[in-house]
Amino acid sequence: KAGVTQTPRYLIKTRGQQVTLSCSPISGHRSVSWYQQTPGQGLQFLFEYFSETQRNKGNFPGRFSGRQFSNSRSEMNVSTLELGDSALYLCASSFQWGSSYNEQFFGPGTRLTVL
Amino acid sequence: QQQVKQSPQSLIVQKGGISIINCAYENTAFDYFPWYQQFPGKGPALLIAIRPDVSEKKEGRFTISFNKSAKQFSLHIMDSQPGDSATYFCAASNPNDYKLSFGAGTTVTVRA
Repeated sequence: KAGVTQTPRYLIKTRGQQVTLSCSPISGHRSVSWYQQTPGQGLQFLFEYFSETQRNKGNFPGRFSGRQFSNSRSEMNVSTLELGDSALYLCASSFQWGSSYNEQFFGPGTRLTVL
Repeated sequence: QQQVKQSPQSLIVQKGGISIINCAYENTAFDYFPWYQQFPGKGPALLIAIRPDVSEKKEGRFTISFNKSAKQFSLHIMDSQPGDSATYFCAASNPNDYKLSFGAGTTVTVRA
């Protein structure tokens, strides 16, 4: 079974631009979560989608948005990029939503650099 | 703010030694405590997890110790090997919203 795939793997943007990142979950998984990883901060939760509905949202500004499609694939968008948005963006999929014990399977991440 | 505090930030251990990583939390509602291992260029992968009704869980060379009253848990890596060199994250799950809160991570380097 293929793992979680994220595209692109690397991205360089300039301040003020916007960016869209894509995530394809493991086949059969319907829940997708997004995290921002920066040195010293660990993983910060962005949002989670299940059955095309946002179920949870972290403490990020409205410039960060996401969506999930009927095939469970998900995209996240960051508008008006700031230097501080430079990070590794991780997508994780799980089989279902609504339990603490759902194992999350992470993709390799998209490394975003904002210049 | 960080709901799960993790220490140390990094550690170096000799091959065959014991690595110990500590985490502390405040929210007593947390009901599941996984540890993730991340190698460079890869996403984190679940290593081992524990529920708060258990004080210790062991899987191979990896052991979680859990102290509910102190709101602390730790990961012990016994007989550390160079292949264990990675970043380790502790996490805690909130049953009210199923969000995972992660610690800041510990980079473990095992010297041969």
